[in-house]
Amino acid sequence: DQQVKQNSPSLSVQEGRISILNCDYTNSMFDYFLWYKKYPAEGPTFLISISSIKDKNEDGRFTVFLNKSAKHLSLHIVPSQPGDSAVYFCAAKAGGYSGTYKYIFGTGTRLKVLA
Amino acid sequence: SAVISQKPSRDICQRGTSLTIQCQVDSQVTMMFWYRQQPGQSLTLIATANQGSEATYESGFVIDKFPISRPNLTFSTLTVSNMSPEDSSIYLCSVTRGGRSYNEQFFGPGTRLTVL
Repeated sequence: DQQVKQNSPSLSVQEGRISILNCDYTNSMFDYFLWYKKYPAEGPTFLISISSIKDKNEDGRFTVFLNKSAKHLSLHIVPSQPGDSAVYFCAAKAGGYSGTYKYIFGTGTRLKVLA
Repeated sequence: SAVISQKPSRDICQRGTSLTIQCQVDSQVTMMFWYRQQPGQSLTLIATANQGSEATYESGFVIDKFPISRPNLTFSTLTVSNMSPEDSSIYLCSVTRGGRSYNEQFFGPGTRLTVL
């Protein structure tokens, strides 16, 4: 049972345009969401996150939107740059502060930004 | 952020053998996680390793196959035992930090394992 889903395995965008990566989840108990970028032969790198009590978080060219009623989040990259070409994973945090917790990852979307 | 190193970075192993992967963090952390990423797949959590307690394994992963050690707050090992080609994956350790980075998870560079 895939609790975090990224339904688009790949996405191609022209340089300078907006990239929109989508993620859906099924568990309403998730309280924190994160986006990671992964280059080949490297570990994932944290990009941006959002708490479940917010609906938007912005950091430079990256904005994450959260729609709790739809159990959907998206990552917007504006403007897209060739260096953004990588695999992007969304992840959801399950668990609480006092106990153990874990992160559940989506299947990833490969973004290719064309020069 | 956290600086995390893993050894080895890659290995090619024979079926039936075991490999121990080391993860070293630049500062003390409470929780360390071990993940596997099979070719073309997502990151799958193998287990959570807390210092001073037994590792907590996810469904589908057992201690006999993936024994974990966590001797102190900066180090952990994952052993892949009695390997088969299906164990060919990238194995990643990760940590979380306190303070403002509480919810953020930082990853090591990964260990690329190929089992023949």
